Amino acid sequence: AQRVTQPEKLLSVFKGAPVELKCNYSYSGSPELFWYVQYSRQRLQLLLRHISRESIKGFTADLNKGETSFHLKKPFAQEEDSAMYYCALEYGNKLVFGAGTILRVKS
Amino acid sequence: NAGVTQTPKFQVLKTGQSMTLQCAQDMNHEYMSWYRQDPGMGLRLIHYSVGAGITDQGEVPNGYNVSRSTTEDFPLRLLSAAPSQTSVYFCASSYGTGKNEQFFGPGTRLTVL
Repeated sequence: AQRVTQPEKLLSVFKGAPVELKCNYSYSGSPELFWYVQYSRQRLQLLLRHISRESIKGFTADLNKGETSFHLKKPFAQEEDSAMYYCALEYGNKLVFGAGTILRVKS
Repeated sequence: NAGVTQTPKFQVLKTGQSMTLQCAQDMNHEYMSWYRQDPGMGLRLIHYSVGAGITDQGEVPNGYNVSRSTTEDFPLRLLSAAPSQTSVYFCASSYGTGKNEQFFGPGTRLTVL
């Protein structure tokens, strides 16, 4: 069955430190993967998708098919990055989300 | 553009009651979907629609019905509410298919007593 695993419920880092939010997936086909973010009192919104291969707000994510991972990285965390982050897998018009990771950036 | 709107924002029901959660979008999106968000479980897909007149089941469809009579509206019906349906419900829409960027509504917080 298709599954997305985000092993960390909470990740707490200091401002300026590197960030890596882990995401692993299980899917036998060619995956379409996304990171969505929910800032406090805002709607859930798309952060980036693997097919775009772009950097958004300093975040990047590389699809590693061998390790079935799509980790989200940022070299220097900012306080405004504090939010809930969801990794998601699309297959057959259905989206499967991970449980989410709360990122807390401390000053 | 209002984007994706959901009503009500909050709702308390008694076990066995029925209700409809409303979702509307003004972006002419073909694809619409409903999710429930529970602590420690992320978002789980309830039902989705790829266009007017077409609906399909997601991961957790039991206890919920949907219809899509227009492109704009995608209501979610709880037939006989149960405490296990206490959750936050999100509606989303996108251009084309589920592969495209999903635009989410603000959510409806439902409590079933």
